[in-house]
Amino acid sequence: GENVEQHPSTLSVQEGDSAVIKCTYSDSASNYFPWYKQELGKRPQLIIDIRSNVGEKKDQRIAVTLNKTAKHFSLHITETQPEDSAVYFCAASIGNQAGTALIFGKGTTLSVSS
Amino acid sequence: GAGVSQSPSNKVTEKGKDVELRCDPISGHTALYWYRQRLGQGLEFLIYFQGNSAPDKSGLPSDRFSAERTGESVSTLTIQRTQQEDSAVYLCASSSGRIIHFGNGTRLTVT
Repeated sequence: GENVEQHPSTLSVQEGDSAVIKCTYSDSASNYFPWYKQELGKRPQLIIDIRSNVGEKKDQRIAVTLNKTAKHFSLHITETQPEDSAVYFCAASIGNQAGTALIFGKGTTLSVSS
Repeated sequence: GAGVSQSPSNKVTEKGKDVELRCDPISGHTALYWYRQRLGQGLEFLIYFQGNSAPDKSGLPSDRFSAERTGESVSTLTIQRTQQEDSAVYLCASSSGRIIHFGNGTRLTVT
C-alpha cells in the first residue's frame, strides 16, 4: 500500500527565514497531494494541495512542488511568521482519484521564533 | 451543518469496556474517513466510506475496531474491549471531492 515519508520531524527557523518540508510517496498511482496545518489542540486544516498534472503551485507565502518521477513533493514557506508555528502534514491519495482516502506523513513540527 | 461534528469530544473509559464514537459529516459529503492520532504523532488512517461502495477497512488495527455508516450520513466507530494503547484522538473527516474537512476529534482515554 501507499507509504508516505516526511522530513524533517522538527524544524526551527527564525522569523523571516524560509522553511522547507519534504515528503516522498511510494504509490505511483497517487495523483493528489495536499498539505495540512494543525495548530495545537485544533483540527488539521488544508493549506495547499497539488495534483499530479502540475509541477508547482503557489499561494502567497506558501508553495508546493511535485516531482512525479522521483515521487517526492515539498512544501515551501517563505518569510515565516510566528503564526506559522504548527504541525504540518503531507498526504498522498490512495489510488488515482482525488477524494479517495489519504495517507499522511508523520508530520513536521515547525517552530518560528521572533 | 457548518462542519464535521464529532461526539463526544472527550471520553474516559476503563480498560476492557466498549466505546462508540460518533461522526456527523458535512451534509452532502459522500466520503467519510476515520483517522487516529496518538499524542504527538501523525494521522493514522483507519477506514474510509465512499457512497454505497464497500468501505476500505485496510487501516483498522485489529478486529476490536469496527465502523458503520448509515447511507451518506452518520458514522460510528466502535472499539471493543478497549486497551490503554487505544488512547488517542479519533478524527473523523468528510469530503465531496478533493478537499477533506476534519472534525475536532474525540479524545479517548483508556484507564
